[in-house]
Amino acid sequence: AQSVTQLGSHVSVSEGALVLLRCNYSSSVPPYLFWYVQYPNQGLQLLLKYTSAATLVKGINGFEAEFKKSETSFHLTKPSAHMSDAAEYFCAVSEIQGGSEKLVFGKGTKLTVNP
Amino acid sequence: DGGITQSPKYLFRKEGQNVTLSCEQNLNHDAMYWYRQDPGQGLRLIYYSQIVNDFQKGDIAEGYSVSREKKESFPLTVTSAQKNPTAFYLCASSTGLGGFGTDTQYFGPGTRLTVL
Repeated sequence: AQSVTQLGSHVSVSEGALVLLRCNYSSSVPPYLFWYVQYPNQGLQLLLKYTSAATLVKGINGFEAEFKKSETSFHLTKPSAHMSDAAEYFCAVSEIQGGSEKLVFGKGTKLTVNP
Repeated sequence: DGGITQSPKYLFRKEGQNVTLSCEQNLNHDAMYWYRQDPGQGLRLIYYSQIVNDFQKGDIAEGYSVSREKKESFPLTVTSAQKNPTAFYLCASSTGLGGFGTDTQYFGPGTRLTVL
C-alpha cells in the first residue's frame, strides 16, 4: 500500500519568506500526486496536482511543487509567504485498490505565517 | 453555484446513538467519498461509491454505514458500534472518469461530530 510522509507537522515562517513543505511518497512507480490546503473548519481545496506531464507543477495562490522521482519527493514551495497562506496543507498520492483509484493522504503540515 | 453541501456543520450525539451525516452534490459527479479527519492523522477513507447503488469499504469502515440511492446523495451513518466517533467528517466527489490522472476530488465543508 502507498504511504505519504510529510516532514514537519508544524512549519513557521515570516511573512515574505520562502515556504517549503516537504512530502515523500512510497510508490515504486510514478504516481499521481496532489497538494491540498485546508483553512480552519473548512473542507480541502486542491492547490495543484502532478500527472506526469511536467515535473514542475504550478498551482493556485503562487504555489508550485517539483516532482523528483529519484528522491520520491513532491515538495511544495512558495517564494514569498503571505499571512493568508496560514492553513494546513496535505500531500496525497493516488493508489489502485480493489480495481478503484483512491487517494492516500499524509498527516498534514500546519503552516503559521508570522508578521 | 455547483458544489458539495454537508449538513449539519456541527453535530452532537449521545453515546450509543446512531447519527446520519448528509452529503449532497450538484456537480453531476459519479464518484463520492467519505473521509474521517482526526488532529495530526490526516484523512482516512471510510467508504466510497463509484456509481449509484454500489459502494465499497475504505480503510476504516467498521462502525459506519452508507447508502447511494441517488447520484447526488451519499449519506453516512455513524453507528453505536463506532468506538470513537468524535471527529471531523469530510465528503468528496469526483467525476470518476479516467482515473486520478484526469480526475480531481472536490471536498465539502465538513461536519464536526462530537459524542457527549
